[in-house]
Amino acid sequence: DAGVTQSPTHLIKTRGQQVTLRCSPKSGHDTVSWYQQALGQGPQFIFQYYEEEERQRGNFPDRFSGHQFPNYSSELNVNALLLGDSALYLCASSFPRLTSTDTQYFGPGTRLTVL
Amino acid sequence: EDQVTQSPEALRLQEGESSSLNCSYTVSGLRGLFWYRQDPGKGPEFLFTLYSAGEEKEKERLKATLTKKESFLHITAPKPEDSATYLCAVQAPQAGTALIFGKGTTLSVSS
Repeated sequence: DAGVTQSPTHLIKTRGQQVTLRCSPKSGHDTVSWYQQALGQGPQFIFQYYEEEERQRGNFPDRFSGHQFPNYSSELNVNALLLGDSALYLCASSFPRLTSTDTQYFGPGTRLTVL
Repeated sequence: EDQVTQSPEALRLQEGESSSLNCSYTVSGLRGLFWYRQDPGKGPEFLFTLYSAGEEKEKERLKATLTKKESFLHITAPKPEDSATYLCAVQAPQAGTALIFGKGTTLSVSS
């Protein structure tokens, strides 16, 4: 059973550029969440996609946007990159149920470095 | 504001020396508390979900417990391969299904 996969593994960009990160959820999961983890910090929630729509969003600027495809895979786009966007970007998938807490399973992450 | 605080920030143990990591939270209406293990440069690996006070879960040398204000991750007779950062996260009604993480405890076990 394949777990959550992310690509690319590493990425180096310069300030002002745009970047797209990709995620395939765990088999059977239909919900994808994205997190940003700065060095030495816990992950911070960016947004969550379900049924191809952004269902929930954290405290991140509009430069961060996303998309979910019919096969449940997802993309995270970041425009006008800043030095502070350098971080490990994590994708998590889940199969939430309305009446219980869902467990989120994380991928290996994409390390983004902005120069 | 919902908050998660983990202590200590770092913990050094000798192999076989048992200890506990703490996760305290201020959340109204806790829906679930999660423990993850994270190796350097990797994504968090799911360990446990706890839903209500008094609940306990075990996996190999790890045991997680939950009270109304905090959770403990007990590590019994740790081995060097248990070295990692352990993250605690909560879900609360106000935050939907987003996980609110603490900063983690970095555990180092030496032989």
